[in-house]
Amino acid sequence: DTGVSQNPRHKITKRGQNVTFRCDPISEHNRLYWYRQTLGQGPEFLTYFQNEAQLEKSRLLSDRFSAERPKGSFSTLEIQRTEQGDSAMYLCASTTSGGYNEQFFGPGTRLTVL
Amino acid sequence: AQSVTQLDSQVPVFEEAPVELRCNYSSSVSVYLFWYVQYPNQGLQLLLKYLSGSTLVKGINGFEAEFNKSQTSFHLRKPSVHISDTAEYFCAVSEGYDMRFGAGTRLTVKP
Repeated sequence: DTGVSQNPRHKITKRGQNVTFRCDPISEHNRLYWYRQTLGQGPEFLTYFQNEAQLEKSRLLSDRFSAERPKGSFSTLEIQRTEQGDSAMYLCASTTSGGYNEQFFGPGTRLTVL
Repeated sequence: AQSVTQLDSQVPVFEEAPVELRCNYSSSVSVYLFWYVQYPNQGLQLLLKYLSGSTLVKGINGFEAEFNKSQTSFHLRKPSVHISDTAEYFCAVSEGYDMRFGAGTRLTVKP
């Protein structure tokens, strides 16, 4: 399977704990996106990378959120001091730059903060 | 910045009936338009896309959509739905690196 993969698929944590999610994009894709999706809503943009450079961050991305893509391949999204409002599905997508921005999505990581 | 409005949050239909899911967008420049489908606890899967050319685009699973520039719409249609089409459908507009999604339409197909 050469699609986008995300791990873990589900994460339950207690308020105040730190969590980290991983995304492995399609290998030839140089752009990688993170989105957050809450119940009954469409995906909301969080941030995106072109290769290893983080080029844009949403104002939704508070200081507790950080994302990396150290070698331009996989990416991690870390949430520090989680809050109940962080409970959501976190989606990763990848695509190639210079094209039509057709994004391929992973299965998502569902975070529940108790 | 571009935005997307999906006019119906829920659409219930009976099996084998036709369906239309409505999408309107706003943008100041030329954009690319997409419809994605999401099954429970899964990521988004591309149904179809409009990039340029013919305004009627065909996608997977028998879905099609028509781009109407004057009405800034990109409605999704299927002539005969199946139980398995029950899912959440998202319209999206892309401008440069930025992709914006509508709030989604929950399609429920009843036997």
